[in-house]
Amino acid sequence: KAGVTQTPRYLIKTRGQQVTLSCSPISGHRSVSWYQQTPGQGLQFLFEYFSETQRNKGNFPGRFSGRQFSNSRSEMNVSTLELGDSALYLCGSRQGETEAFFGQGTRLTVV
Amino acid sequence: TQLLEQSPQFLSIQEGENLTVYCNSSSVFSSLQWYRQEPGEGPVLLVTVVTGGEVKKLKRLTFQFGDARKDSSLHITAAQTGDTGLYLCAGASWGGTSYGKLTFGQGTILTVHP
Repeated sequence: KAGVTQTPRYLIKTRGQQVTLSCSPISGHRSVSWYQQTPGQGLQFLFEYFSETQRNKGNFPGRFSGRQFSNSRSEMNVSTLELGDSALYLCGSRQGETEAFFGQGTRLTVV
Repeated sequence: TQLLEQSPQFLSIQEGENLTVYCNSSSVFSSLQWYRQEPGEGPVLLVTVVTGGEVKKLKRLTFQFGDARKDSSLHITAAQTGDTGLYLCAGASWGGTSYGKLTFGQGTILTVHP
């Protein structure tokens, strides 16, 4: 069974631009969650989706948004990028109320 | 707001030594996961503990979940250089405003020297 796939692995963007990250969960998993990881803050919860609905949201500004498609694939979007958005963005896949499995992440660098 | 305090933040030991990493919270979690992460990669799940007082062993790694499900520990016996990495604990809740959200500890960077 394939694991969680995140694309792209690396991104370099300029301040003010927007970016879209993609996540394909493990087959059969319907819950997808997103986390931001930085050296200073560790892993911070962004949001969680289940059956195309956002079920929970972390304390991030509205520039961070996401969605989930009918095939459970998910995207997150960050608009008007700031230098502080540079981070490793991780997608977690879960089936029911169980543990989350993570992808390799997308390393976003904002210059 | 749920918080997980993980300690120590850094651990530098010699191969063959034993070590313990702790995760503590004032909140009760439905389950607690331990992950190991290599630089530039995503966290890899090591174990999930669900029941208060539960002890799980994974070769040289022993995981405990506190009786009140508020704390956990990871003990490594006879550490090897291959154990080097970032260890993360994460608490899961299936109720209220925390549903589906993993609360992560700050992580422990373990370096095992040959």
